[in-house]
Amino acid sequence: DSGVTQTPKHLITATGQRVTLRCSPRSGDLSVYWYQQSLDQGLQFLIQYYNGEERAKGNILERFSAQQFPDLHSELNLSSPELGDSALYFCASSVGIGLGNTIYFGEGSWLTVV
Amino acid sequence: AQSVTQLGSHVSVSEGALVLLRCNYSSSVPPYLFWYVQYPNQGLQLLLKYTTGATLVKGINGFEAEFKKSETSFHLTKPSAHMSDAAEYFCAVSLILFGNEKLTFGTGTRLTIIP
Repeated sequence: DSGVTQTPKHLITATGQRVTLRCSPRSGDLSVYWYQQSLDQGLQFLIQYYNGEERAKGNILERFSAQQFPDLHSELNLSSPELGDSALYFCASSVGIGLGNTIYFGEGSWLTVV
Repeated sequence: AQSVTQLGSHVSVSEGALVLLRCNYSSSVPPYLFWYVQYPNQGLQLLLKYTTGATLVKGINGFEAEFKKSETSFHLTKPSAHMSDAAEYFCAVSLILFGNEKLTFGTGTRLTIIP
C-alpha cells in the first residue's frame, strides 16, 4: 500500500458525460501527479501540482483539467470524455519537487468510455 | 529533451535464471534514473533509483541496476528469477527543465517467468 488513494477504482461513462477522478496523496506529500496509461500510448504524464499550484504540464488535452485543493487532495476532470480517453489513470504523490524525489503511485482508476 | 528506451517489450526467463531488462536514456544533463514495477491490477511501485554517488544501485526484491554514463544505460538485473517477479517493469528518467521536474517513462517490459 503506497498510501496514495484513488477513487473510483472503476468507472464506466458515456461519451460527453463529465467525469471526476479523485486522489488523496500520502500524508505529508505536497506534490501530486496525474498519469494516463493506455495500451497504445503507454504511461503518459498529464499534470503536476505542488501545494495547490500547477507546476508542470504534459500532453494534456483541453477537455482534461485538474486541481489540487487546500487539503492537498486532487481531482482530474474530463469535461467531455471521448472513446479514446478509456485508460487507467494514475495519481502519484511525492514530498517535494526536487530531483530524485521518490514518487508513490496509487492503484489507479480504470475509466471506460462507451 | 530527455527520453527513455526499453529494449524488448516482452522478456521471458526460466525460474532461477538471470533477469536482464534493458534501459537506455538520452539526456543533455545528468539524469536521475528509476525502475518501477507494476504487478497485475496494481499501481507502480519503486524498485530502485539512481541519483548520485555509487553507480550500482540495489533495490527491493533482489533487483539491482548499474548506471553507465558512457553507454547511457541503466539496465535492471536480478541473479535468479522467481515466479513472483512476473510483472511489467518501467524505466524512468527525471530531470528539471526550467524549474519543473518531469518524470518520463519508457514503454515498459513485460517479464514472464517460465516454471
